Amino acid sequence: GEDVEQSLFLSVREGDSSVINCTYTDSSSTYLYWYKQEPGAGLQLLTYIFSNMDMKQDQRLTVLLNKKDKHLSLRIADTQTGDSAIYFCAHAGGGGNKLTFGTGTQLKVEL
Amino acid sequence: DGGITQSPKYLFRKEGQNVTLSCEQNLNHDAMYWYRQDPGQGLRLIYYSQIVNDFQKGDIAEGYSVSREKKESFPLTVTSAQKNPTAFYLCASSMGDRGVWSNQPQHFGDGTRLSIL
Repeated sequence: GEDVEQSLFLSVREGDSSVINCTYTDSSSTYLYWYKQEPGAGLQLLTYIFSNMDMKQDQRLTVLLNKKDKHLSLRIADTQTGDSAIYFCAHAGGGGNKLTFGTGTQLKVEL
Repeated sequence: DGGITQSPKYLFRKEGQNVTLSCEQNLNHDAMYWYRQDPGQGLRLIYYSQIVNDFQKGDIAEGYSVSREKKESFPLTVTSAQKNPTAFYLCASSMGDRGVWSNQPQHFGDGTRLSIL
């Protein structure tokens, strides 16, 4: 079946870069997404990448995709305390618009 | 502003009681989804609907029911058969199935937290 894995926890200092990793098993993935969840809130779409791309940059966010290894990462430059949240990766497989979500990575930004 | 509204924000259920969580969207999206989130876990799909008057079970549908009588609304009922209902429930919507090559991100409401009395 489909599986998406993320490390549970990441701690960085304010101003450093954060890299959140995600691995998936479904080779038919088309679009891959990164969502942010702040405490007690829903998920906010941050960015996405199409499966024929290797990299996408959007201001402080850089998404890297290694399709051969089925590895996705989200780099946050100049991490701020407001970036503290849970980050979910998700992918759309061959089944159309259903998404499969990872378990989420809790990012903690320390002063 | 267009968006997804979930209500109530907090809900308490008594033993043997059914409760209904509301989800309304004004994004003109065809597809809607219900997820359950437990602490330290990802999102698990309960039910989804691709179009009005049609819905399918997700991975954990037992103890839940839904209806899709209007495009804008997708209420979720947590029945007394759901023995462990305490969780954070998230509703989402997307454009719907435009084919596998179409970008169709899901947009989320702010969630309802359900607890047992």
